Amino acid sequence: DQQVKQNSPSLSVQEGRISILNCDYTNSMFDYFLWYKKYPAEGPTFLISISSIKDKNEDGRFTVFLNKSAKHLSLHIVPSQPGDSAVYFCAASARTSGSRLTFGEGTQLTVNP
Amino acid sequence: GAVVSQHPSWVICKSGTSVKIECRSLDFQATTMFWYRQFPKQSLMLMATSNEGSKATYEQGVEKDKFLINHASLTLSTLTVTSAHPEDSSFYICSAAPGLAITADTQYFGPGTRLTVL
Repeated sequence: DQQVKQNSPSLSVQEGRISILNCDYTNSMFDYFLWYKKYPAEGPTFLISISSIKDKNEDGRFTVFLNKSAKHLSLHIVPSQPGDSAVYFCAASARTSGSRLTFGEGTQLTVNP
Repeated sequence: GAVVSQHPSWVICKSGTSVKIECRSLDFQATTMFWYRQFPKQSLMLMATSNEGSKATYEQGVEKDKFLINHASLTLSTLTVTSAHPEDSSFYICSAAPGLAITADTQYFGPGTRLTVL
């Protein structure tokens, strides 16, 4: 039972354009959502998060949008840079489960110069 | 700051042997550590949560007698895969969280250990 799904295994965009990575979830108990970035042979690093009481959170070039009714979140990167090329995981947690994270499968983003 | 290391980074072993993987928090004390497993093109799956000085809490479907977790100090947790079989081949990642009032975004991940069982 995959409670967090990233349906696009890969995404390729041109440098300077917007990258949009999508994530869907099924568990309505999830109230905190995170995006992680992972380079090969490294562990995931925290990128940005959003609480269910908000529908948008912005940090520099990264913006996360949350649509609770659709159980959907997305990560926007603009402008995209070649250094952004990595695997991006979305993850979700529920207050009732403490800090347990449920991850999606990841999306490989490639930003072409 | 907030560096987590894992050792070894990769290991190959024969079927039936046991393998120990170490997870260390290098510059902070980790009250809680988490162990994840990732199969190719799949998500990170939480295996267990370990708190220093107490028994680990395993996720449903994870055999606690096969995946032994020890969190004997505030900077070290170990995962031992006992009697490893080829289906245990995977990428094992740990994360560590400082303090007691941890939140989801205060987990710091190690670089992972690639286990291949022949």
